[in-house]
Amino acid sequence: NAGVTQTPKFQVLKTGQSMTLQCAQDMNHEYMSWYRQDPGMGLRLIHYSVGAGITDQGEVPNGYNVSRSTTEDFPLRLLSAAPSQTSVYFCASSHPGRDYGYEQFFGPGTRLTVL
Amino acid sequence: GENVEQHPSTLSVQEGDSAVIKCTYSDSASNYFPWYKQELGKRPQLIIDIRSNVGEKKDQRIAVTLNKTAKHFSLHITETQPEDSAVYFCAASYSGYSTLTFGKGTMLLVSP
Repeated sequence: NAGVTQTPKFQVLKTGQSMTLQCAQDMNHEYMSWYRQDPGMGLRLIHYSVGAGITDQGEVPNGYNVSRSTTEDFPLRLLSAAPSQTSVYFCASSHPGRDYGYEQFFGPGTRLTVL
Repeated sequence: GENVEQHPSTLSVQEGDSAVIKCTYSDSASNYFPWYKQELGKRPQLIIDIRSNVGEKKDQRIAVTLNKTAKHFSLHITETQPEDSAVYFCAASYSGYSTLTFGKGTMLLVSP
């Protein structure tokens, strides 16, 4: 199993450009999430999905869109990149927990710089 | 929503010493508390987790304690080694919920 994969590893954008960060998992996990990590801020939730066709907003959703057409893939779209979106982006997946949460498995991350 | 506070932000210890990192959470409905270790340039990786039906869990040199009444939980690392140097994150979530709320992290430096 490859686990959770993300592409690209690095990306530089100019302000106003759009792009899609790719995330895929081969563990048949129902839950997938996107987090951004900024120095001194921990990981903050952008969007998440509890299954194909179902998405919801997290703590910092502005400027990002997601969709989930398959169980395996959960792309994150930046509509019009801004310098404030310079960050490291992590995708994660997990099994659903009926009574308790379960371990989230993280992808290797995408380091995005917006000039 | 849930809020997780983590202290200290940095922690320096000598090899062989113990290290303790503390977190508090705000939502009494939270019942799952994982700890992640993140080495420089790498992804966060789970090192230990605890559910609210237990008060303590150990795995070799690592232990986590949970006080539901006070809404705080702690990570204890004994006999620290230089390879324990990393950023550690605590997190919280609740029943069946798919996402985690993270603390801001603690940079642990273990000096030989």
